[in-house]
Amino acid sequence: EIVMTQSPGTLSVSPGERATLSCRASQSVNSNLAWYQQKPGQAPRLLIYGASTRATGIPARFSGSGSGTDFTLTISSLQSEDFAVYYCQQYNNWPLAFGQGTKVEIK
Amino acid sequence: EVQLVESGGGLVQPGGSLRLSCAASGFTFSSYVISWVRQAPGKGPEWVSAISGGDFGSTQYADSVKGRFTISRDNSKSTLYLQMNSLRAEDTAEYYCAKSGSYQHYMDVWGKGTTVTVSS
Repeated sequence: EIVMTQSPGTLSVSPGERATLSCRASQSVNSNLAWYQQKPGQAPRLLIYGASTRATGIPARFSGSGSGTDFTLTISSLQSEDFAVYYCQQYNNWPLAFGQGTKVEIK
Repeated sequence: EVQLVESGGGLVQPGGSLRLSCAASGFTFSSYVISWVRQAPGKGPEWVSAISGGDFGSTQYADSVKGRFTISRDNSKSTLYLQMNSLRAEDTAEYYCAKSGSYQHYMDVWGKGTTVTVSS
């Protein structure tokens, strides 16, 4: 079973600044890594799949990188609507697994 | 519009049963893997189960629900089900159904969820 670990738990960022979120897998997941955004009271929303491919309608300020065990989600210039919790998910092996999340809050 | 709508949640006593449904529309339901994902209050999402497309979908389960939960689908009704038996307090969560992308199991469409509370 693959365990996904995200860091940091909370990231305090000012609007307009860059945010860098990390996700580490306990074993290689190749590029089978997705990122989701979740706001209170809503379902998660797919941002990135294949480690670096933006989902339909996702702004270019969101970018993903990495392969194997180490992955990064970067938000280049935080907008007010980007303050939320972000989760990574591996889909290389069953069982599918999510990280515990990084909360991006307003500094 | 591609849409998933869950129903069937509620309050149930420990040891009880519940069946969740997920009605799909706007895409060829039979062609896609669909998962159930749950999220306990204040926690991250936890994948629960998935079923492949086609008439005889193969199934996968998280260890935490194996032997207690059964996933199934009715392609003629574009509906996914989750039969939950022997429910425990730790099964309390929001339950989402989610559609996988083509051939890969990231989740590109999610329902709004249905709430399951297991309590005496």
